[in-house]
Amino acid sequence: QSALTQPPSVSGSPGQSVTISCTGTSNDVASYNRVSWYRQPPGTAPKLLIYEVSNRPSGVPDRFSGSKSGNTASLTISGLQAEDEAYYYCSSYTTTTSVIFGGGTKLTVL
Amino acid sequence: QLQLQESGPRLVKPSETLSLTCLVSGGSITSAGVHWGWIRQAPGKGLEWIGNIYHSGSSYLNPALKNRITVSLDTSKNHFSLRLNSVTAADTAVYYCAREILYDSTAFSHWGQGALVTVSS
Repeated sequence: QSALTQPPSVSGSPGQSVTISCTGTSNDVASYNRVSWYRQPPGTAPKLLIYEVSNRPSGVPDRFSGSKSGNTASLTISGLQAEDEAYYYCSSYTTTTSVIFGGGTKLTVL
Repeated sequence: QLQLQESGPRLVKPSETLSLTCLVSGGSITSAGVHWGWIRQAPGKGLEWIGNIYHSGSSYLNPALKNRITVSLDTSKNHFSLRLNSVTAADTAVYYCAREILYDSTAFSHWGQGALVTVSS
């Protein structure tokens, strides 16, 4: 199964909001609320930002929010900060392979 | 504080078996009630899920790798392991072990630092 579809890159200026999309199919995003988002600065392990579409783990700022509509999930980062520059990955439960990741999106803070 | 640490050979020859162990400290592998997983990332590429295992020993694996993977756990040593047979250069990657945040959420809240395993003769 192909990875979930994410834009290769997005950008924004400090203080602005950016949204990263994650498009799947009826086998995954559309049918299950087990969508997660991760941030990965270069050379480090991924960090969980959002789980089950819109829940934030303890310690994750409320600048990070998640949502889903149909077969597309979205991560919105508000009040963009320089430290937000990183790769972002979505993932979902899927009936075909159990867990599938998106291809990743590079966020550049201008 | 829960910590995960991958260990194992960092250089594996083609056609041989990659073996990694994830030592869990700061918490019990059995009492957590969640899945423990393996994820890998080839150099410059995205994340690829390998497989999960529950403390009961039940596991589910990526079908693309299923024929070559074994995931197991040792509750007495509080660690779980990955074996990947018949490796090729395409298996060169950073291998991460991780823990689910909630049972069956498929979301991983705790990660090891990663182990770069290179397949080369």
